[in-house]
Amino acid sequence: AQTVTQSQPEMSVQEAETVTLSCTYDTSESNYYLFWYKQPPSRQMILVIRQEAYKQQNATENRFSVNFQKAAKSFSLKISDSQLGDTAMYFCAFMKQWGNKLVFGAGTILRVKS
Amino acid sequence: DVKVTQSSRYLVKRTGEKVFLECVQDMDHENMFWYRQDPGLGLRLIYFSYDVKMKEKGDIPEGYSVSREKKERFSLILESASTNQTSMYLCASSQDRQAFFGQGTRLTVV
Repeated sequence: AQTVTQSQPEMSVQEAETVTLSCTYDTSESNYYLFWYKQPPSRQMILVIRQEAYKQQNATENRFSVNFQKAAKSFSLKISDSQLGDTAMYFCAFMKQWGNKLVFGAGTILRVKS
Repeated sequence: DVKVTQSSRYLVKRTGEKVFLECVQDMDHENMFWYRQDPGLGLRLIYFSYDVKMKEKGDIPEGYSVSREKKERFSLILESASTNQTSMYLCASSQDRQAFFGQGTRLTVV
């Protein structure tokens, strides 16, 4: 079975600074997908970024980028130029290549301070 | 835009009641899921369905059942609600390795 671990229950960052959220996972699969989801106070889950394990290049979406280390089974999220609207719970998630079920980590609460 | 709609945002039920949580998606997705979200535990999969009338147990199915009579609707049923089922419930649908979530139902069992 796959497991996803987020070791930082809470983090805070000053507006305009950079923050990195950590995620490690355990799997015996060779091909899979990794995701970061954001859940603001509205509770709506929003996809932030997705990485295919077979791609060596790290995914980026505007201010959001990942550091994907397949051998180390690590998938961290970097948020640059943090904004107040980035305040949310962030979940790391795993999906098998041929599956559709998401396995989630426990989440990290991120607070952006002005 | 894909829309996943959960029938209630907040629900308060009494111990022993039968509770129905409804979820509807409008994008003809085959796969639908029910998750439970608890602090410090993330989202845990209760049940999922990959087709009409098909269902599979997730990681924590005890105390729950589901129904999928139509492709767009996936219902979660608490046969006899208990206080330890007080939680946030999230429905999702997915296709092509992309999942879309409803806004959640915060259920309190008293």
